[in-house]
Amino acid sequence: DSGVTQTPKHLITATGQRVTLRCSPRSGDLSVYWYQQSLDQGLQFLIQYYNGEERAKGNILERFSAQQFPDLHSELNLSSLELGDSALYFCASSVLVLAGYNEQFFGPGTRLTVL
Amino acid sequence: AQSVTQPDIHITVSEGASLELRCNYSYGATPYLFWYVQSPGQGLQLLLKYFSGDTLVQGIKGFEAEFKRSQSSFNLRKPSVHWSDAAEYFCAVGAFNFGNEKLTFGTGTRLTIIP
Repeated sequence: DSGVTQTPKHLITATGQRVTLRCSPRSGDLSVYWYQQSLDQGLQFLIQYYNGEERAKGNILERFSAQQFPDLHSELNLSSLELGDSALYFCASSVLVLAGYNEQFFGPGTRLTVL
Repeated sequence: AQSVTQPDIHITVSEGASLELRCNYSYGATPYLFWYVQSPGQGLQLLLKYFSGDTLVQGIKGFEAEFKRSQSSFNLRKPSVHWSDAAEYFCAVGAFNFGNEKLTFGTGTRLTIIP
């Protein structure tokens, strides 16, 4: 158990719908990362937040957005869902210092199925 | 931009045999390198990491990896595999520069163990 929690574990929805994935980082970790694992794109970085502010953006679609709340939990919002959005979405957290190595601890993931 | 190549999509080995999974990276400076394992339906577990010092690093579950700068490689090895090692293995590179702490993953290698 990494200490990172994600809910829900599974989510099944229809095309065009909107869903919210939730992540609670490890106690003390200020930085949250979202990754998407799909069959065609593999594991790719979506977005990172640090202490409530967006810090880095990867290959995140405009239909997707995220935020980090004052209690440091984060939500990933996916809207106008398409079949291709079906994937496993991971959240990771780390203690972030200005430079150097910061191990990322991964949650168990949320499996999204769009029908 | 950093990138990771795992040339072997699927490897099958007999239980008790040795294992080597290949990983090549591209990154302009000294990279931080990682191997993660993902069991079916599970999240990502860190096996080992390299960021400086001894180029042969030991990890959990009896795995080791060797960093070879001249070959831009970070291959994962295990002298004798167990049936429980069947999983997907991901090599990743991290930059950990200010504002760029994401991990870039390879496409993964699926390991099958035969009795």
